Amino acid sequence: AQSVTQPDIHITVSEGASLELRCNYSYGATPYLFWYVQSPGQGLQLLLKYFSGDTLVQGIKGFEAEFKRSQSSFNLRKPSVHWSDAAEYFCAVGSYNFNKFYFGSGTKLNVKP
Amino acid sequence: GAVVSQHPSWVICKSGTSVKIECRSLDFQATTMFWYRQFPKQSLMLMATSNEGSKATYEQGVEKDKFLINHASLTLSTLTVTSAHPEDSSFYICSVRDSGKETQYFGPGTRLLVL
Repeated sequence: AQSVTQPDIHITVSEGASLELRCNYSYGATPYLFWYVQSPGQGLQLLLKYFSGDTLVQGIKGFEAEFKRSQSSFNLRKPSVHWSDAAEYFCAVGSYNFNKFYFGSGTKLNVKP
Repeated sequence: GAVVSQHPSWVICKSGTSVKIECRSLDFQATTMFWYRQFPKQSLMLMATSNEGSKATYEQGVEKDKFLINHASLTLSTLTVTSAHPEDSSFYICSVRDSGKETQYFGPGTRLLVL
């Protein structure tokens, strides 16, 4: 069965510190992986995606993610967090035709000044 | 990315009334749109896939007579919550599929509160 797990519900980091948000997936076929960010009351904005090739992908706003097939993981990272990064982050796996998206439960990021 | 709008952004209604939510794809024609529901502190759950000119496909457990979907044009899909009840209060988000970009683009969402 398809599923996405984000083990951390809340994370708090200090501004300027590094960040890693964890994502593990279970999918029966080749996974198409995504990270989205949601600000309060807003829709989801695509940060980055991975389909194939280089397992380290770069996204917008200085985010990157690394696909590790052996660990079924797709963790999101940022070397230096800004206060404006405070939001909720969702990992998702998509079907081959992008009609089915399975989302994790989200990780809420708080940034301390 | 694609621009997707939703209207209204907020709606409060009385129990038993029906509410229509619009989802528009502003900068490309979308043959397929999706409707998601997000409960507080939970993730998005796909409710249905809206296909232009044909019947929507509903996910298991979603009542098609309760959540009416109409995709009458390539830029507009509507979700009508019929005879709304307090348990229907939620955040409803639509998305459009851009196969050329191999992803979905999401609207800003509509928050529904049923009193």
